[in-house]
Amino acid sequence: GAVVSQHPSWVICKSGTSVKIECRSLDFQATTMFWYRQFPKQSLMLMATSNEGSKATYEQGVEKDKFLINHASLTLSTLTVTSAHPEDSSFYICSAGRQTTNEKLFFGSGTQLSVL
Amino acid sequence: SQELEQSPQSLIVQEGKNLTINCTSSKTLYGLYWYKQKYGEGLIFLMMLQKGGEEKSHEKITAKLDEKKQQSSLHITASQPSHAGIYLCGAPPGYSGGSNYKLTFGKGTLLTVNP
Repeated sequence: GAVVSQHPSWVICKSGTSVKIECRSLDFQATTMFWYRQFPKQSLMLMATSNEGSKATYEQGVEKDKFLINHASLTLSTLTVTSAHPEDSSFYICSAGRQTTNEKLFFGSGTQLSVL
Repeated sequence: SQELEQSPQSLIVQEGKNLTINCTSSKTLYGLYWYKQKYGEGLIFLMMLQKGGEEKSHEKITAKLDEKKQQSSLHITASQPSHAGIYLCGAPPGYSGGSNYKLTFGKGTLLTVNP
């Protein structure tokens, strides 16, 4: 079964509103989670590393004030797209590592964001 | 930073045919993950390779990592329509202090299998 849960699966919002996406590790603790963004027919681009109890580390070119990341507990990271605009429409997906399994790295099912 | 080149970008095959997808890095790989995805859906883990010369198989899919740990291939035998999707290779940064879970991905290979 899924070990990383992402919610919501899809969201439609009006331009200017903020949207929060949650990423949960279900039965393990994740001190670090990762947020990716994917455009149609393109690969996943790493946006930021979410660190439990400290500030997120953003990749070059990613606006930290636009994409707020909070990792307040060992099982939950949230990505908030603030003042969303149509160009923010994309597929967002999170991942978390788990030391004790062969697979080690698990991805959420993703969130499709559409900004009108 | 780690950059991964995937080839081909897209591939159309007839059901039952074999196919190979390649993933090449300019730097030594400290792990290589293969995933399958349909756009708008999550990633399905296929295989993870770490050692030079390593080969793993699951059902009709075989992945290899070369001895130099700079190239990996994914081979599908007797393809089926269920194999269709986007295949992505991903690798961690490989530098000291870099998280093994922070992956950089190739651009993906779109596989279409015609019945």
